[in-house]
Amino acid sequence: TQLLEQSPQFLSIQEGENLTVYCNSSSVFSSLQWYRQEPGEGPVLLVTVVTGGEVKKLKRLTFQFGDARKDSSLHITAAQPGDTGLYLCAGADSGGGADGLTFGKGTHLIIQP
Amino acid sequence: GAGVSQSPSNKVTEKGKDVELRCDPISGHTALYWYRQRLGQGLEFLIYFQGNSAPDKSGLPSDRFSAERTGESVSTLTIQRTQQEDSAVYLCASTAYLGTRSYEQYFGPGTRLTVT
Repeated sequence: TQLLEQSPQFLSIQEGENLTVYCNSSSVFSSLQWYRQEPGEGPVLLVTVVTGGEVKKLKRLTFQFGDARKDSSLHITAAQPGDTGLYLCAGADSGGGADGLTFGKGTHLIIQP
Repeated sequence: GAGVSQSPSNKVTEKGKDVELRCDPISGHTALYWYRQRLGQGLEFLIYFQGNSAPDKSGLPSDRFSAERTGESVSTLTIQRTQQEDSAVYLCASTAYLGTRSYEQYFGPGTRLTVT
């Protein structure tokens, strides 16, 4: 069974600060997705990274896929209260189907004004 | 276009009763997933449907849980003889395969189930 570990599990910081959350595994993934979930809603896809070493930027969010495609990071610059939520990473292997998508347990992020 | 919809949004039921949760996936999405999310936790995979293939039931926690899907449309998740530990948000997601390296999932808002 593939396992994705996210860290930190909880993070509470002040508005304007920078932060990085991590998603690590001993398994290789063909792609990795990051989702954000707000209370009372389902997760919403933020980005998919496919190539080892790939970096994608979404406004103040920077996503990186590790060279070996085993890990990923999400860096937020100048965090805003609207960034508050549960950030989930999910890795896909090449086998397809449900086995192809493994979710981490998430990082609960709170940005205090 | 419309996203994934789920109903009901909230369900309160007494222990021992059966409940049925519904998911309408995005039109044209061939794959459908059910997940369970306990309070403050990540997603726990329950079951997966892909086209007309036999569903992958490997995540169902007990034989009280079952799910059906008609073709590539609506799916229902049924929990029989509900227990308090079944209380959670049940999320449905659908996906359209984008090749062999991407399985982006689109989630519904979930059904919050409370068993009293």
